[in-house]
Amino acid sequence: DAGVIQSPRHEVTEMGQEVTLRCKPISGHDYLFWYRQTMMRGLELLIYFNNNVPIDDSGMPEDRFSAKMPNASFSTLKIQPSEPRDSAVYFCASSLYPGSPEYWGGASYMKTEAFFGQGTRLTVV
Amino acid sequence: EDQVTQSPEALRLQEGESSSLNCSYTVSGLRGLFWYRQDPGKGPEFLFTLYSAGEEKEKERLKATLTKKESFLHITAPKPEDSATYLCAVQARLGTGNQFYFGTGTSLTVIP
Repeated sequence: DAGVIQSPRHEVTEMGQEVTLRCKPISGHDYLFWYRQTMMRGLELLIYFNNNVPIDDSGMPEDRFSAKMPNASFSTLKIQPSEPRDSAVYFCASSLYPGSPEYWGGASYMKTEAFFGQGTRLTVV
Repeated sequence: EDQVTQSPEALRLQEGESSSLNCSYTVSGLRGLFWYRQDPGKGPEFLFTLYSAGEEKEKERLKATLTKKESFLHITAPKPEDSATYLCAVQARLGTGNQFYFGTGTSLTVIP
């Protein structure tokens, strides 16, 4: 598998424009997460999906942000209108549903680590 | 309030000088603690998962340990290529789903 794929890698846009970030999760993963990373705040969870359904969007900063997952292999994060304070690196990550146990050392564990994409560096000027 | 705190924020080591990074957490319904490595301009790269107190995992010069309140990432005889930001994340139960909480990371610089 190629891992989590995000596009574009870099985006520069003017304030007020619409921005759409894209993500293809690892095939077979049930969870998809959108994160934002800044120097000041580190990694912040914006929203996550389980089986294409948004579960928790409490991290979405405001109504200008929206996310969709129309199918298991694609998700978008949209910002409309964009503002300079939205400038950050946006990461998408995916993981397995914790109901899929793995075995290590004779015990069962839920293999739920999240795998991240390379990120989209957004600059709003 | 669920929280993950990493220390120190930055660490400079001479090559071969062993040290430890700390991740303390306060979450309910812990499902796992994860260590990631992040290089500049890249996404976090998964290193370890720890599930229960007393558990340890090793990979090359790295060893992760877990107690009920914190985790340590021990770096033995580090090399310059170990320079990166190390992130700790905790997965907690949130309703019937999961929530990942990340620390702000420790920036490690290993000087030749």
